[in-house]
Amino acid sequence: GENVEQHPSTLSVQEGDSAVIKCTYSDSASNYFPWYKQELGKRPQLIIDIRSNVGEKKDQRIAVTLNKTAKHFSLHITETQPEDSAVYFCAASIRLRHQFYFGTGTSLTVIP
Amino acid sequence: DAGVIQSPRHEVTEMGQEVTLRCKPISGHNSLFWYRQTMMRGLELLIYFNNNVPIDDSGMPEDRFSAKMPNASFSTLKIQPSEPRDSAVYFCASSLAPLSGGAGTQYFGPGTRLLVL
Repeated sequence: GENVEQHPSTLSVQEGDSAVIKCTYSDSASNYFPWYKQELGKRPQLIIDIRSNVGEKKDQRIAVTLNKTAKHFSLHITETQPEDSAVYFCAASIRLRHQFYFGTGTSLTVIP
Repeated sequence: DAGVIQSPRHEVTEMGQEVTLRCKPISGHNSLFWYRQTMMRGLELLIYFNNNVPIDDSGMPEDRFSAKMPNASFSTLKIQPSEPRDSAVYFCASSLAPLSGGAGTQYFGPGTRLLVL
C-alpha cells in the first residue's frame, strides 16, 4: 500500500509568519491529496485538496503544491493567526481505491 | 445536511464489556470509514465499506472488533470484549466516490471518545 511521511511533527511560528508542512508519498499511482485540520477535541476537517493533474491550488491564506516527479506535496499557510493552531494531517489516495493513507500529523502552534 | 452522525459521543465502560459504536453517514454517500485515533498511533483506518460491502478490514486489530453496515444509512463498530488498550477516539467518515473511480472527499463525524477501565 501507500506510505505517507509528514514533516515536521511539531512547528511553532510567530503570528504573521508563514508555515510550511511537507509530505512525501511512495506510490506513483496516488492521485488525490487532501489536507485536514484538527483542532483540539474536534474532528478532522478538510481545508484544501489537490489532484494529480494540478501543480498548485490556493484558497485565501492556504495553498498546496504538488510535485509528482519527486512524490511530495506541501501545505503553505501565510500570515498565520492564532486560530491556525491545530494538528494538520496530509493524506494520499491511490487511483481506483477509496481509502486515504494519512500522515502522522503536524502540531502547529502560532505564537501571538 | 446534518453531516456524519455518531453515537454515543462518550462511552465509559469496564474491561470485558461489549461496546457498540454507531454511525450515520451523509445521505447519498457510498463509502464509509471507521478510524481509531490515539496519541501513540495517530489516525488508523480500521475498516471501510463501499456500497455497504466491507472492502478492506486489514486495519481491524483483532477478532474482538467487528463492523457491519446493514444499509446505506447505518453502520456499527462493535468491540467484544473491550480492553483498556481500546481506549481511543473512534471516528466515522463518509464520502461519495466519483464515478470515474478513486476516492471522494471524506467528511468526519464528531467521534466517540471511548474509555475502557
